[in-house]
Amino acid sequence: KAGVTQTPRYLIKTRGQQVTLSCSPISGHRSVSWYQQTPGQGLQFLFEYFSETQRNKGNFPGRFSGRQFSNSRSEMNVSTLELGDSALYLCASSFGQNQPQHFGDGTRLSIL
Amino acid sequence: QQQVKQSPQSLIVQKGGISIINCAYENTAFDYFPWYQQFPGKGPALLIAIRPDVSEKKEGRFTISFNKSAKQFSLHIMDSQPGDSATYFCAASMRGSGNQFYFGTGTSLTVIP
Repeated sequence: KAGVTQTPRYLIKTRGQQVTLSCSPISGHRSVSWYQQTPGQGLQFLFEYFSETQRNKGNFPGRFSGRQFSNSRSEMNVSTLELGDSALYLCASSFGQNQPQHFGDGTRLSIL
Repeated sequence: QQQVKQSPQSLIVQKGGISIINCAYENTAFDYFPWYQQFPGKGPALLIAIRPDVSEKKEGRFTISFNKSAKQFSLHIMDSQPGDSATYFCAASMRGSGNQFYFGTGTSLTVIP
């Protein structure tokens, strides 16, 4: 069974640009969550989608947005990139709420 | 504020020894407590998880001990091996939170041969 797939693995952008990250969940999983991981703040919840609806959102500015498609694949978008957005962005999928979450290997985003 | 507090930040254990990592929480609505293992360049991998209706769960060399009254849970790695050297995260979630998991700050474990 294929795991969670995130693309691309690495991205380098400059301040002010925007970026879109992609996540393909494990087959059959309808919940997709996004996390930001940094050395200073650790793993922080961005948002979660279930059946194309955002169910919960973490404490991040509106520059961070996402969506989920009918096949459960999800995308995350960050606009007007700032230096502080440099991080590992992780996607996790699960069958539903409060169930085991399985993570992809992340997208490493570097802002110059 | 940190919803899940994890200690120690780093841990060095001899091969064959027991590694113990502790986590504490305040929110009594939490009802699912997983542990994750993360190697450099990889995403966190689910190791073992527990719900508060049991006090202990064991899977191979990994055991979670859960103390509901103290609001604490811990990961024990028996017979620690150099291949266990990684960063370990505890986490917690609750029903109705839209699958938001709250993570501890991580413990870097080094197992010395």
